[in-house]
Amino acid sequence: GAGVSQTPSNKVTEKGKYVELRCDPISGHTALYWYRQSLGQGPEFLIYFQGTGAADDSGLPNDRFFAVRPEGSVSTLKIQRTERGDSAVYLCASSLTPTGNEQFFGPGTRLTVL
Amino acid sequence: KQEVTQIPAALSVPEGENLVLNCSFTDSAIYNLQWFRQDPGKGLTSLLLIQSSQREQTSGRLNASLDKSSGRSTLYIAASQPGDSATYLCETDSWGKLQFGAGTQVVVTP
Repeated sequence: GAGVSQTPSNKVTEKGKYVELRCDPISGHTALYWYRQSLGQGPEFLIYFQGTGAADDSGLPNDRFFAVRPEGSVSTLKIQRTERGDSAVYLCASSLTPTGNEQFFGPGTRLTVL
Repeated sequence: KQEVTQIPAALSVPEGENLVLNCSFTDSAIYNLQWFRQDPGKGLTSLLLIQSSQREQTSGRLNASLDKSSGRSTLYIAASQPGDSATYLCETDSWGKLQFGAGTQVVVTP
């Protein structure tokens, strides 16, 4: 596609459930980033991939959060045992390479944990 | 840890006025700085990317300056229009360490 896509656009789940959020980056972009954004705040960095490997996962809040990018394109952010505090908009971005290049963002997935 | 601050948090101007948006950061060892626009309920749109070796970047009515030594970047929007109403965010990149400010919410009134 022409831009970064994210699915689903909205996800409502119950506390304790497992969720997967998907990101499809721009074709040919080697770097992929995950952020989460709470209302009134700037995006908070979670993790970024260079190719298939997680180059920096220092932003993941705890071990309930995990992300993969097995073939160096599509990425999945996985959240186990969801908590109400996980409710936020999860944003994905990609860039040609990790540094010095413009980031392109997807529309986000709004996660609501009841 | 890098801290990025954007002041003011909100700004309202009449159409035609120039906009000046500020971004300050605590660690000057950045690789680049990027300005984004975010419309309500939407993702972010890149406006300008300034490399650490550059002092400014321009695109149409937008101009962004960067002063690494003082830890500041400024986004200027000339002759504002109602369509410029959005939240503007800056992000620093310190070799993969990425940090956003909280943004400045701008309203341009007709």
